[in-house]
Amino acid sequence: GENVEQHPSTLSVQEGDSAVIKCTYSDSASNYFPWYKQELGKGPQLIIDIRSNVGEKKDQRIAVTLNKTAKHFSLHITETQPEDSAVYFCAASIGDSNYQLIWGAGTKLIIKP
Amino acid sequence: NAGVTQTPKFQVLKTGQSMTLQCAQDMNHEYMSWYRQDPGMGLRLIHYSVGAGITDQGEVPNGYNVSRSTTEDFPLRLLSAAPSQTSVYFCASGRTGTGNTEAFFGQGTRLTVV
Repeated sequence: GENVEQHPSTLSVQEGDSAVIKCTYSDSASNYFPWYKQELGKGPQLIIDIRSNVGEKKDQRIAVTLNKTAKHFSLHITETQPEDSAVYFCAASIGDSNYQLIWGAGTKLIIKP
Repeated sequence: NAGVTQTPKFQVLKTGQSMTLQCAQDMNHEYMSWYRQDPGMGLRLIHYSVGAGITDQGEVPNGYNVSRSTTEDFPLRLLSAAPSQTSVYFCASGRTGTGNTEAFFGQGTRLTVV
């Protein structure tokens, strides 16, 4: 079946440094790629998303890049802050569905003071 | 604004017991879904619905039933609980139209089956 691989599973960075999380997907028909942030004891929350007709999207300190040919996409967080500590999930749409997603296993991001 | 509300937050069941996890949303969203979250495996889709009276199976539907009699509510029923169903369960809702793709999640139900 279709799957999404996410790396690394844990990422520890110094406060102020950048963090990069990478995902690869298998369904060549996927066209929607969201990233969710999950804080302890809460449900995931959308932080940024990208569609297949765009190569890069930025929102303040967060950016996502997409390489459709290689079937991989990445989350970039610059100038990391303590509140960025959380688990981050990537996901890819099942085909061109707007709401059915296959999820990566998650990356625990630790920001060291 | 309540968003997506799940009850209960915690539950312990004995093997073979049945129970219903409740999910309600007040955003008039067409789409609702149930996920389970296990360590190292991300979120896996159990069942979903694109409107009242319409439900479909996700990736891991066995052992679970759902119904969607109203737009607001989407309960998940465990028919005969098994230890393999120990997990954190999340309900999510969202719109189905193009460009409206954000999924809004509840706070989760932590279920332990002993």
